[in-house]
Amino acid sequence: GAVVSQHPSRVICKSGTSVKIECRSLDFQATTMFWYRQFPKKSLMLMATSNEGSKATYEQGVEKDKFLINHASLTLSTLTVTSAHPEDSSFYICSASSPRPNSPLHFGNGTRLTVT
Amino acid sequence: SQQGEEDPQALSIQEGENATMNCSYKTSINNLQWYRQNSGRGLVHLILIRSNEREKHSGRLRVTLDTSKKSSSLLITASRAADTASYFCATKGAYSGAGSYQLTFGKGTKLSVIP
Repeated sequence: GAVVSQHPSRVICKSGTSVKIECRSLDFQATTMFWYRQFPKKSLMLMATSNEGSKATYEQGVEKDKFLINHASLTLSTLTVTSAHPEDSSFYICSASSPRPNSPLHFGNGTRLTVT
Repeated sequence: SQQGEEDPQALSIQEGENATMNCSYKTSINNLQWYRQNSGRGLVHLILIRSNEREKHSGRLRVTLDTSKKSSSLLITASRAADTASYFCATKGAYSGAGSYQLTFGKGTKLSVIP
């Protein structure tokens, strides 16, 4: 089945630094990828839709200058948390859709970000 | 606003019993999907049911969809300890664009299967 690789799985960083999270589709081309944030015991909150070759579409309330998304190729999208603060600590998950109609989303294993 | 709402929020059963989780949503949908999430991991797709379907099976999973009530249920039969996870329903809106694959997730049901 389709595989999405997300890296790193865990990262600890200091306040004020930036962290980059990568999301790769390993065996299919993903024109669209999604980035989510998940708080403990909560559902996934869609942050943005990443479109290959164009600007990401951010959900209301998500700061585009804080959460930079780049989708430079059909197999790679990156999320950069800039000038991270402790309140940015969370579980970030990406997903990608394959081109087949009605195919499900394929998720990465998530990145646990802890900002100290 | 939250589209899918799962019920119950948490469910604890003995191994071998059946587990039923429900999902309600608010707007018209194209399809509804169920996903599973093990603690601290990403989501794994379980089953997709289209708006014109009423029931679907996959192994020990049975999903029903009632569009008149805007609700769905996920039944896991003969549960195993390995089924312990959180289960989420997700909906694709009926009016989302052809190229859109944005899903709206519910809050999930945390299932614990006791050996």
